[in-house]
Amino acid sequence: ETGVTQSPTHLIKTRGQQVTLRCSSQSGHNTVSWYQQALGQGPQFIFQYYREEENGRGNFPPRFSGLQFPNYSSELNVNALELDDSALYLCASSLGGLDYTDTQYFGPGTRLTVL
Amino acid sequence: DQQVKQNSPSLSVQEGRISILNCDYTNSMFDYFLWYKKYPAEGPTFLISISSIKDKNEDGRFTVFLNKSAKHLSLHIVPSQPGDSAVYFCAASGSGSARQLTFGSGTQLTVLP
Repeated sequence: ETGVTQSPTHLIKTRGQQVTLRCSSQSGHNTVSWYQQALGQGPQFIFQYYREEENGRGNFPPRFSGLQFPNYSSELNVNALELDDSALYLCASSLGGLDYTDTQYFGPGTRLTVL
Repeated sequence: DQQVKQNSPSLSVQEGRISILNCDYTNSMFDYFLWYKKYPAEGPTFLISISSIKDKNEDGRFTVFLNKSAKHLSLHIVPSQPGDSAVYFCAASGSGSARQLTFGSGTQLTVLP
């Protein structure tokens, strides 16, 4: 059973550019959540996808968007990058559904630096 | 407005002793709580969880206690080992389809040999 994987590991972009981050869910998981972790803080929820539909969104502007594919892999897209977007971006997968004990399992993250 | 708070940024403990990490929350809708451990350059690793219908959950050296009336939970690690040195995050989720996790800011645990 493979865990959650993310690519790339590191990324450097300039202000105003666009970026796409990728995530492969753990085998059997149909739900993926994305989090942003700024330095010295805990992860902050961006949004979640369940069976290819957005299933919830945190307090992030529309320039943060996502996709989930039929194989349950996922992308996070950020347009018009700002300096404050520099952070570790974490993807987490879970079994989904209505089970309140649905634990989320995290990938290693993508470190994005915006110059 | 921080809904999940970890007021101790760091904690040092001697190897073999007990580590106690604390977490407070303000949102009464939270009904499921988790602890994650994070090493540098890695994603958070799930440690242990507890639902609001329980007040204690044990898994090996790790025990989580939940005090709903005080909106407080704690993670006990006994005995502490040098490999436990990491940042520990408390997280909570509530009812709703997304069941998003709300994290605290983390506590850096250092276990001294």
